[in-house]
Amino acid sequence: AQKITQTQPGMFVQEKEAVTLDCTYDTSDPSYGLFWYKQPSSGEMIFLIYQGSYDQQNATEGRYSLNFQKARKSANLVISASQLGDSAMYFCAMREHSNFNKFYFGSGTKLNVKP
Amino acid sequence: GAGVSQSPSNKVTEKGKDVELRCDPISGHTALYWYRQSLGQGLEFLIYFQGNSAPDKSGLPSDRFSAERTGGSVSTLTIQRTQQEDSAVYLCASSPSRDSSSVAQYFGPGTRLLVL
Repeated sequence: AQKITQTQPGMFVQEKEAVTLDCTYDTSDPSYGLFWYKQPSSGEMIFLIYQGSYDQQNATEGRYSLNFQKARKSANLVISASQLGDSAMYFCAMREHSNFNKFYFGSGTKLNVKP
Repeated sequence: GAGVSQSPSNKVTEKGKDVELRCDPISGHTALYWYRQSLGQGLEFLIYFQGNSAPDKSGLPSDRFSAERTGGSVSTLTIQRTQQEDSAVYLCASSPSRDSSSVAQYFGPGTRLLVL
């Protein structure tokens, strides 16, 4: 089974609107971390936001927030007030406490922000 | 401070030649990862180093691939007898500690390898 599933290969959003990128995960470890990375066309992977499995509140970092629904095993990334510079690939990743040397990445979602 | 650096940024080689890719992790980071990313694809784990422990080589696709990490810092990924299917972006990442699921990886800019 896939550890991380991103079901949206591509998404479009109008500039200044909010967009949600979906991510579901699969683990039996009660302790894990969830991460989102942005990969612009330049290729570098940029760490955006982290959510711990025991965190009671959804993580936020500026315009990024993580909609964490533990029972559903989903960790969707919400980008508010989209900007043209948000156009990029976005990857969801997970790290399990029992196997912390491995990061599991999803297949990514290509976000295009339209002016 | 300085991030993860990789060199060369681009490498074009002929099929059958050997290549070496270099990664300088963030100072103080004990964990180092190599990934491969084919065009438009996700990340494929290759190898993981943690301090002086034996590396996790479970992701290396064949025995033509090897990696070493000298002095717990700089790492070199070597591909012998390159094939056209080795063409990809090779990404290196480092992480400050091992025993927490809360710690992120920080990536370098990657090396774009093209095998002709």
